[in-house]
Amino acid sequence: SYVLTQPPSVSVAPGQTARITCGGNKIGSKSVHWYQQKPGQAPLLVISYDSDRPSGIPERVSGSNSENTATLTISRVEAGDEADYYCQVWDDSRSGHPVVFGGGTQLTVL
Amino acid sequence: EVQLLESGGGLIQPGGSLRLSCAASGFTFSNHAMSWVRQAPGKGLEWVSGISGRGDNTYYADSVRGRFTISRDNSKRTLFLQMNSLKAEDTAIYYCAKDLKVALSALTRLLFDYWGQGILVTVSS
Repeated sequence: SYVLTQPPSVSVAPGQTARITCGGNKIGSKSVHWYQQKPGQAPLLVISYDSDRPSGIPERVSGSNSENTATLTISRVEAGDEADYYCQVWDDSRSGHPVVFGGGTQLTVL
Repeated sequence: EVQLLESGGGLIQPGGSLRLSCAASGFTFSNHAMSWVRQAPGKGLEWVSGISGRGDNTYYADSVRGRFTISRDNSKRTLFLQMNSLKAEDTAIYYCAKDLKVALSALTRLLFDYWGQGILVTVSS
């Protein structure tokens, strides 16, 4: 089955830029979606189709996808951005697990 | 406003059965595929099952195929997950989630724009 690899943790100071990666074999050929999950809350879609921002998501949040790595970028990081972030793709290979999530990255704001 | 409200969770012994429900409002329920996604304590997200808008296509993760059954009642705007032969490793918060796209029979390229608040299922003796 298709595997998405995320770093377990990323730390950044307030005002700096956080980059969270999501690695997968030829992930650039798939659409990648990103979710933010704060403690005790349900996930929230923050980026769809590699780089589209749903309504209400600030412009500071952006996404990109190329070759074997997709990246979620959060500029001018704020304390409220501290959360777990998950990437997700649809795997067409009929592996029995078509919706694939990455293992998640905990973003810590120093 | 889109709302998804899960119910039916609780403590169940290994080998037992449980039925989760998810009541939906704020959107045309029958136009969207729906899924169940779970999260074991302290762990990441795991997709469990999905069903098309009309209910004519379903899909299951290998870990639950043959034990769980997803269904929906569009007249009542409700999604269900029948869970049988429960195991300790099924212990998790279960979320219902709405697919962003409008698609009546397709069950493909799912992504989730709204989630319920989650319901805890604990499988333990």
